[in-house]
Amino acid sequence: DIQMTQSPSTLSASLGDTVTITCRASQDIDVWVAWYQQKPGKAPKLLIYRASRLETGVPSRFSGSGSGTRFILTINSLQPDDFATYYCQQYNNYLALTFGEGTKVEI
Amino acid sequence: EVQLAESGGGLVRPGGSLRLSCVTSGLNFSNTEMNWVRQAPGKGLEWVSSISESGQKKYYATSMGGRFAISRDNAKNSVYLQMNSLRVEDTAVYFCATFGRLEYFQSWGQGTLVIVSS
Repeated sequence: DIQMTQSPSTLSASLGDTVTITCRASQDIDVWVAWYQQKPGKAPKLLIYRASRLETGVPSRFSGSGSGTRFILTINSLQPDDFATYYCQQYNNYLALTFGEGTKVEI
Repeated sequence: EVQLAESGGGLVRPGGSLRLSCVTSGLNFSNTEMNWVRQAPGKGLEWVSSISESGQKKYYATSMGGRFAISRDNAKNSVYLQMNSLRVEDTAVYFCATFGRLEYFQSWGQGTLVIVSS
């Protein structure tokens, strides 16, 4: 299976900061990466797909970039609602979809 | 609005079985691939299984070890997960989810908790 390695595992930030979360794939996965936000006790929410495409209704302060094996989720001007855990997911290999371990963004 | 609602979770002994259900609304269910994703307490997300629109194609994570079976009833807008030979490590919240245009998860249910314990 393709391994997705996220860093950092925890990120401390303040309101208004710009934060970046990195996801590295164990092999080339082109642009087939999605990013999700999850709050405690809730289902994940799709933010980004195809590495950089913003899901409808997601604020434009979220952006994604990367291709191949390195992908980045950027959150500009961090808002109170953004404190959550973020996951990347690869879908290059349909028969073995895998997620990163998660990055918790905390105050 | 797309809505997914899981049910069927609960406490089960190791070696036991459980059948999860997910009823949907607000989508063209018979043209939608469906999935199960799980999350152990305090852990990350793990894809479990997918089923094609017709139900003819089924896919499973290798770590499930052939113990789980996904199915669907398009007349009832529902997808199911039959879980057999349950292990303590199967303890998790189980989410049903739809794919987007490709194999990323676009819509999610609220999840149902399965606890495997003696």
